[in-house]
Amino acid sequence: EAQVTQNPRYLITVTGKKLTVTCSQNMNHEYMSWYRQDPGLGLRQIYYSMNVEVTDKGDVPEGYKVSRKEKRNFPLILESPSPNQTSLYFCASASGGSYEQYFGPGTRLTVT
Amino acid sequence: EDKVVQSPLSLVVHEGDTVTLNCSYEVTNFRSLLWYKQEKKAPTFLFMLTSSGIEKKSGRLSSILDKKELFSILNITATQTGDSAIYLCVSLDNFNKFYFGSGTKLNVKP
Repeated sequence: EAQVTQNPRYLITVTGKKLTVTCSQNMNHEYMSWYRQDPGLGLRQIYYSMNVEVTDKGDVPEGYKVSRKEKRNFPLILESPSPNQTSLYFCASASGGSYEQYFGPGTRLTVT
Repeated sequence: EDKVVQSPLSLVVHEGDTVTLNCSYEVTNFRSLLWYKQEKKAPTFLFMLTSSGIEKKSGRLSSILDKKELFSILNITATQTGDSAIYLCVSLDNFNKFYFGSGTKLNVKP
Protein backbone atom coordinates (compact mmCIF):
# COMPACT_ATOMS: atom_id res chain seq x y z
CA GLU A 1 0.00 0.00 0.00
CA ALA A 2 1.33 3.42 -0.98
CA GLN A 3 1.76 5.48 2.13
CA VAL A 4 3.65 8.01 4.17
CA THR A 5 4.37 6.96 7.73
CA GLN A 6 5.38 9.10 10.67
CA ASN A 7 6.61 8.15 14.11
CA PRO A 8 5.79 8.78 16.80
CA ARG A 9 2.16 9.75 16.36
CA TYR A 10 1.99 11.45 19.75
CA LEU A 11 4.83 12.84 21.83
CA ILE A 12 4.97 14.81 25.06
CA THR A 13 8.41 16.11 25.96
CA VAL A 14 10.14 18.80 27.97
CA THR A 15 11.89 21.95 26.90
CA GLY A 16 15.40 21.38 25.61
CA LYS A 17 15.28 17.61 25.17
CA LYS A 18 16.32 16.76 21.62
CA LEU A 19 13.85 14.76 19.60
CA THR A 20 13.44 13.32 16.12
CA VAL A 21 10.22 12.65 14.24
CA THR A 22 10.71 10.14 11.47
CA CYS A 23 8.99 10.19 8.09
CA SER A 24 9.14 7.48 5.49
CA GLN A 25 7.44 6.99 2.12
CA ASN A 26 7.28 3.92 -0.11
CA MET A 27 6.31 5.61 -3.38
CA ASN A 28 9.81 6.51 -4.61
CA HIS A 29 8.86 10.18 -4.48
CA GLU A 30 11.53 12.78 -5.06
CA TYR A 31 9.80 15.56 -3.11
CA MET A 32 9.29 15.45 0.65
CA SER A 33 8.20 18.17 3.02
CA TRP A 34 7.41 18.93 6.65
CA TYR A 35 4.54 21.16 7.82
CA ARG A 36 3.17 22.31 11.11
CA GLN A 37 -0.50 23.04 11.61
CA ASP A 38 -1.69 25.47 14.23
CA PRO A 39 -5.24 26.75 14.87
CA GLY A 40 -5.98 29.87 12.84
CA LEU A 41 -2.67 29.66 10.98
CA GLY A 42 -3.26 26.70 8.73
CA LEU A 43 -0.38 24.57 7.50
CA ARG A 44 3.01 26.19 7.25
CA GLN A 45 5.95 24.64 5.48
CA ILE A 46 9.02 24.03 7.65
CA TYR A 47 11.49 22.39 5.26
CA TYR A 48 11.30 20.58 1.98
CA SER A 49 13.55 18.40 -0.11
CA MET A 50 13.64 17.97 -3.86
CA ASN A 51 15.82 14.88 -3.69
CA VAL A 52 18.56 13.14 -1.73
CA GLU A 53 20.97 15.60 -0.11
CA VAL A 54 18.91 18.58 -1.32
CA THR A 55 16.94 20.48 1.33
CA ASP A 56 15.47 23.98 1.43
CA LYS A 57 13.85 26.18 4.05
CA GLY A 58 10.15 26.74 4.02
CA ASP A 59 8.30 29.52 5.79
CA VAL A 60 9.07 28.57 9.38
CA PRO A 61 12.42 26.72 9.57
CA GLU A 62 13.70 28.26 12.82
CA GLY A 63 14.30 25.67 15.52
CA TYR A 64 14.16 22.71 13.14
CA LYS A 65 16.65 20.63 11.19
CA VAL A 66 16.14 18.02 8.51
CA SER A 67 18.25 15.59 6.54
CA ARG A 68 17.68 13.58 3.38
CA LYS A 69 20.29 10.85 3.23
CA GLU A 70 17.98 8.36 1.56
CA LYS A 71 15.15 8.96 -0.86
CA ARG A 72 12.50 7.33 1.30
CA ASN A 73 13.30 9.03 4.64
CA PHE A 74 13.07 12.64 5.75
CA PRO A 75 13.42 13.01 9.53
CA LEU A 76 12.58 16.23 11.37
CA ILE A 77 14.92 17.10 14.21
CA LEU A 78 14.23 19.49 17.07
CA GLU A 79 17.60 20.05 18.75
CA SER A 80 16.20 22.05 21.68
CA PRO A 81 12.40 22.02 21.63
CA SER A 82 10.49 24.93 23.11
CA PRO A 83 6.80 25.26 24.06
CA ASN A 84 6.08 27.34 20.94
CA GLN A 85 6.87 24.22 18.90
CA THR A 86 3.85 22.49 20.35
CA SER A 87 1.86 21.70 17.23
CA LEU A 88 0.53 19.07 14.83
CA TYR A 89 3.21 18.07 12.36
CA PHE A 90 2.64 16.54 8.94
CA CYS A 91 5.12 14.96 6.59
CA ALA A 92 4.22 14.78 2.91
CA SER A 93 5.73 13.42 -0.29
CA ALA A 94 5.11 13.93 -3.98
CA SER A 95 6.57 12.92 -7.29
CA GLY A 96 8.62 15.64 -8.93
CA GLY A 97 6.26 15.77 -11.87
CA SER A 98 2.85 16.14 -10.29
CA TYR A 99 3.39 17.73 -6.85
CA GLU A 100 0.20 16.06 -5.70
CA GLN A 101 1.27 15.58 -2.11
CA TYR A 102 0.47 12.53 -0.03
CA PHE A 103 0.36 13.32 3.67
CA GLY A 104 1.34 11.20 6.60
CA PRO A 105 -1.08 10.73 9.52
CA GLY A 106 0.40 13.53 11.60
CA THR A 107 2.43 13.76 14.81
CA ARG A 108 0.99 15.67 17.71
CA LEU A 109 3.85 17.16 19.71
CA THR A 110 3.51 18.82 23.08
CA VAL A 111 6.51 20.57 24.62
CA THR A 112 6.14 21.51 28.28
CA GLU B 1 5.07 38.51 1.41
CA ASP B 2 3.57 35.58 -0.45
CA LYS B 3 0.18 34.55 0.87
CA VAL B 4 -3.02 32.65 0.20
CA VAL B 5 -6.32 33.90 1.60
CA GLN B 6 -9.47 31.83 1.76
CA SER B 7 -13.03 32.90 2.36
CA PRO B 8 -15.29 32.36 4.08
CA LEU B 9 -13.46 30.98 7.10
CA SER B 10 -16.45 28.83 7.94
CA LEU B 11 -19.74 27.94 6.36
CA VAL B 12 -22.83 26.05 7.49
CA VAL B 13 -25.22 24.69 4.84
CA HIS B 14 -27.89 22.02 4.56
CA GLU B 15 -27.68 18.87 2.51
CA GLY B 16 -28.46 19.54 -1.11
CA ASP B 17 -27.17 23.09 -1.09
CA THR B 18 -24.48 24.29 -3.49
CA VAL B 19 -21.45 26.02 -2.02
CA THR B 20 -18.63 28.11 -3.45
CA LEU B 21 -15.35 28.42 -1.63
CA ASN B 22 -13.01 31.24 -2.53
CA CYS B 23 -9.25 31.47 -2.66
CA SER B 24 -7.11 34.44 -3.60
CA TYR B 25 -3.35 34.36 -3.80
CA GLU B 26 -0.39 36.66 -3.96
CA VAL B 27 2.58 34.50 -4.84
CA THR B 28 5.51 36.06 -6.64
CA ASN B 29 6.62 33.03 -8.63
CA PHE B 30 3.27 31.33 -8.93
CA ARG B 31 3.20 27.94 -10.61
CA SER B 32 0.05 26.07 -9.65
CA LEU B 33 -2.88 26.10 -7.28
CA LEU B 34 -4.09 23.03 -5.43
CA TRP B 35 -7.14 22.17 -3.35
CA TYR B 36 -7.12 19.68 -0.49
CA LYS B 37 -9.82 18.31 1.79
CA GLN B 38 -8.97 17.75 5.44
CA GLU B 39 -11.33 15.74 7.58
CA LYS B 40 -10.17 14.59 10.97
CA LYS B 41 -6.71 13.66 9.87
CA ALA B 42 -4.31 14.36 7.03
CA PRO B 43 -5.26 16.46 3.98
CA THR B 44 -6.20 14.58 0.84
CA PHE B 45 -5.67 15.91 -2.65
CA LEU B 46 -8.61 17.18 -4.71
CA PHE B 47 -7.38 19.26 -7.65
CA MET B 48 -4.33 20.87 -9.15
CA LEU B 49 -4.85 23.85 -11.46
CA THR B 50 -2.16 25.36 -13.60
CA SER B 51 -3.96 26.93 -16.53
CA SER B 52 -6.46 29.75 -16.35
CA GLY B 53 -10.08 29.18 -17.29
CA ILE B 54 -10.01 25.39 -17.51
CA GLU B 55 -12.46 23.78 -15.12
CA LYS B 56 -11.46 20.61 -13.34
CA LYS B 57 -14.27 18.36 -12.22
CA SER B 58 -14.58 15.34 -10.01
CA GLY B 59 -18.11 14.20 -9.28
CA ARG B 60 -19.91 16.99 -7.47
CA LEU B 61 -16.75 19.01 -7.00
CA SER B 62 -15.30 21.41 -9.54
CA SER B 63 -12.69 24.10 -9.52
CA ILE B 64 -11.35 26.81 -11.76
CA LEU B 65 -8.39 29.17 -11.72
CA ASP B 66 -8.20 32.80 -12.85
CA LYS B 67 -4.56 33.77 -13.17
CA LYS B 68 -5.37 37.32 -14.21
CA GLU B 69 -7.42 38.07 -11.09
CA LEU B 70 -5.34 35.71 -8.93
CA PHE B 71 -8.10 33.60 -7.51
CA SER B 72 -9.67 30.20 -7.61
CA ILE B 73 -13.04 28.81 -6.59
CA LEU B 74 -14.08 25.39 -5.46
CA ASN B 75 -17.72 24.49 -6.07
CA ILE B 76 -19.56 21.66 -4.41
CA THR B 77 -23.05 20.88 -5.70
CA ALA B 78 -25.73 18.83 -3.94
CA THR B 79 -23.72 18.82 -0.72
CA GLN B 80 -23.78 15.80 1.57
CA THR B 81 -22.86 15.45 5.23
CA GLY B 82 -19.72 13.63 4.11
CA ASP B 83 -18.53 16.86 2.51
CA SER B 84 -18.10 18.36 5.99
CA ALA B 85 -14.40 19.13 6.28
CA ILE B 86 -11.82 21.86 6.09
CA TYR B 87 -10.97 22.76 2.50
CA LEU B 88 -7.45 23.99 1.96
CA CYS B 89 -6.25 26.13 -0.91
CA VAL B 90 -2.52 25.85 -1.62
CA SER B 91 -0.20 27.69 -3.96
CA LEU B 92 2.95 26.11 -5.39
CA ASP B 93 5.69 28.40 -6.63
CA ASN B 94 8.47 27.86 -9.14
CA PHE B 95 10.89 27.06 -6.33
CA ASN B 96 8.70 24.16 -5.20
CA LYS B 97 7.49 25.90 -2.06
CA PHE B 98 3.90 25.46 -0.94
CA TYR B 99 1.81 28.20 0.63
CA PHE B 100 -1.36 27.11 2.40
CA GLY B 101 -4.40 29.20 3.12
CA SER B 102 -5.92 28.87 6.58
CA GLY B 103 -8.81 26.87 5.19
CA THR B 104 -12.59 27.06 4.96
CA LYS B 105 -14.45 24.92 7.45
CA LEU B 106 -17.58 23.53 5.84
CA ASN B 107 -20.34 22.02 7.95
CA VAL B 108 -23.14 20.29 6.04
CA LYS B 109 -26.20 19.63 8.20
CA PRO B 110 -28.71 16.87 7.43
